[in-house]
Amino acid sequence: DTEVTQTPKHLVMGMTNKKSLKCEQHMGHRAMYWYKQKAKKPPELMFVYSYEKLSINESVPSRFSPECPNSSLLNLHLHALQPEDSALYLCASSQAQGQYYGYTFGSGTRLTVV
Amino acid sequence: GDSVTQMEGPVTLSEEAFLTINCTYTATGYPSLFWYVQYPGEGLQLLLKATKADDKGSNKGFEATYRKETTSFHLEKGSVQVSDSAVYFCALKNTGNQFYFGTGTSLTVIP
Repeated sequence: DTEVTQTPKHLVMGMTNKKSLKCEQHMGHRAMYWYKQKAKKPPELMFVYSYEKLSINESVPSRFSPECPNSSLLNLHLHALQPEDSALYLCASSQAQGQYYGYTFGSGTRLTVV
Repeated sequence: GDSVTQMEGPVTLSEEAFLTINCTYTATGYPSLFWYVQYPGEGLQLLLKATKADDKGSNKGFEATYRKETTSFHLEKGSVQVSDSAVYFCALKNTGNQFYFGTGTSLTVIP
């Protein structure tokens, strides 16, 4: 299994809703990442988990709450989002955080906040 | 700080044309360099990588050589196909494990 699986693929939510994005990998990777990508822009790093511990939070608003229940799963809990949070949310994983390791990306969740 | 600069797009080519997408970087030390491809509606896929000077990464007919002297990692393909239409991102990962993406270059190949 060489994939990162993200669900759902599409999500529409209101500004008062609570929803969660899910990411799963079974490659034994020990680093997992959340990225946000706006149209025609490169991905922007949000969070990094290394060995199931949050190691980087790029000053992301608290309405985004990550969770890493185990080494294969990564969640992103969403609450009280704003329309400007609409974007493609990408999960990625890597064997470790070392310099030589590239990332394996999922296909993303396209989020629309109405 | 570290950064990646890619040629501006969009790039439009006819099928079987030669492709070059320029990428230069700024980094202290010796970063690893990557090319990612993003097809419409999808996530990013690693296309190729190089981890030290003079390394050549290659995959699916694409090539890029890590040039320390010119701080470049240009992507090339000898004969593009319609199925190569996508956005291509150059990226570096530095010795502090920080990942930097270029702004992306959109490629459209017409039959």
